[in-house]
Amino acid sequence: ETGVTQTPRHLVMGMTNKKSLKCEQHLGHNAMYWYKQSAKKPLELMFVYSLEERVENNSVPSRFSPECPNSSHLFLHLHTLQPEDSALYLCASSQESGLAGSDTQYFGPGTRLTVL
Amino acid sequence: AQSVSQHNHHVILSEAASLELGCNYSYGGTVNLFWYVQYPGQHLQLLLKYFSGDPLVKGIKGFEAEFIKSKFSFNLRKPSVQWSDTAEYFCAVKSIQGGKLIFGQGTELSVKP
Repeated sequence: ETGVTQTPRHLVMGMTNKKSLKCEQHLGHNAMYWYKQSAKKPLELMFVYSLEERVENNSVPSRFSPECPNSSHLFLHLHTLQPEDSALYLCASSQESGLAGSDTQYFGPGTRLTVL
Repeated sequence: AQSVSQHNHHVILSEAASLELGCNYSYGGTVNLFWYVQYPGQHLQLLLKYFSGDPLVKGIKGFEAEFIKSKFSFNLRKPSVQWSDTAEYFCAVKSIQGGKLIFGQGTELSVKP
């Protein structure tokens, strides 16, 4: 399935590095999301973009910086991360139809991030 | 605040056994409900969803879930599991008034051949 793609699939970085995660959706959706998935914890919503505007910033540290240049692409820029930021970062997209609660989110494969 | 609770962290079954994974949520309003599955090394996939209508929802691969409003539950069931059902299963809830999709912590299912 290639509806939502993410690159890279794996990333190892030092605490002083700067890197970016990329997400692309091929479903024609108008909303995109970043989630953090840590072991034994529920998925944590980080950011939401709807029609390329950020509508949710879930108290995420400023060392994570999202960017949504168009409705198909979403980036997560990383700098001066901490080891506890190691996790699987998932991108998702959905079509917000205006019908309350009717949008279903479709997920990418994730980027496995390790911070040394 | 909304929350989702999945009672079982790890379930181990033999092939052909019946499966029921519990999911309860806390929210007083009307919600949409989802079950996602994550097979080893793969991405989260939608298994089934409930928006309205018949509270017994059928999904892919023989899974079904029943929404019991009075119990705030949306349990996932399958009458006979297969080794290929080994995966992690996530329940998720979203208010119809919008807001976040809230996930449970997941249940890991291991099916022994």
